[in-house]
Amino acid sequence: EAGVTQSPTHLIKTRGQQATLRCSPISGHTSVYWYQQALGLGLQFLLWYDEGEERNRGNFPPRFSGRQFPNYSSELNVNALELEDSALYLCASSSRLAGVRQETQYFGPGTRLLVL
Amino acid sequence: AQSVTQLGSHVSVSEGALVLLRCNYSSSVPPYLFWYVQYPNQGLQLLLKYTSAATLVKGINGFEAEFKKSETSFHLTKPSAHMSDAAEYFCAVSEGRAGGTSYGKLTFGQGTILTVHP
Repeated sequence: EAGVTQSPTHLIKTRGQQATLRCSPISGHTSVYWYQQALGLGLQFLLWYDEGEERNRGNFPPRFSGRQFPNYSSELNVNALELEDSALYLCASSSRLAGVRQETQYFGPGTRLLVL
Repeated sequence: AQSVTQLGSHVSVSEGALVLLRCNYSSSVPPYLFWYVQYPNQGLQLLLKYTSAATLVKGINGFEAEFKKSETSFHLTKPSAHMSDAAEYFCAVSEGRAGGTSYGKLTFGQGTILTVHP
């Protein structure tokens, strides 16, 4: 069974540009989560999508946005990039069991974003 | 809000020695607790999880953790360290709310870098 996949693995942008990061969850998983791992700031929750809807959002500005597609894959968009957006962006997914969302999150390898 | 504290940002052990990584949490509702491992330039790999069943949880690669409600702790142990255990370890709590639902987010500790010496 394939794990969570993310693309691209690396992304280099300049200040003010937009970045789009993609995530495919484990087959059968319906929830997708995004986290930012920035140097010195640890792992911070960004967004949670479940069944195509945004369910929760972390303490990030609105220029961080995303969506979940009908096949449960997800995109994270970061507009007006700033230098401090340089980080590893991790996507995770979780499943449902008998209709109940499971708490265990399985992570992908991440996309490393560098803003110059 | 829930929080996680990992005591010791760096832990160094000799190969074959006991590994003990400490994690304390705060939570107003029964938590789900996790340990993840991150190798350099990789994502997070789930080591083990506590989901209100047995308090002693066994995970992959010989790791285990014990949930102690009275101490609000979830320390990770391994009897004998291997060189391949060198990595960064994260303790995380799922932010739950009354009624069994949750906010979906994991709150992570700051991580502990484990170094294993030959």
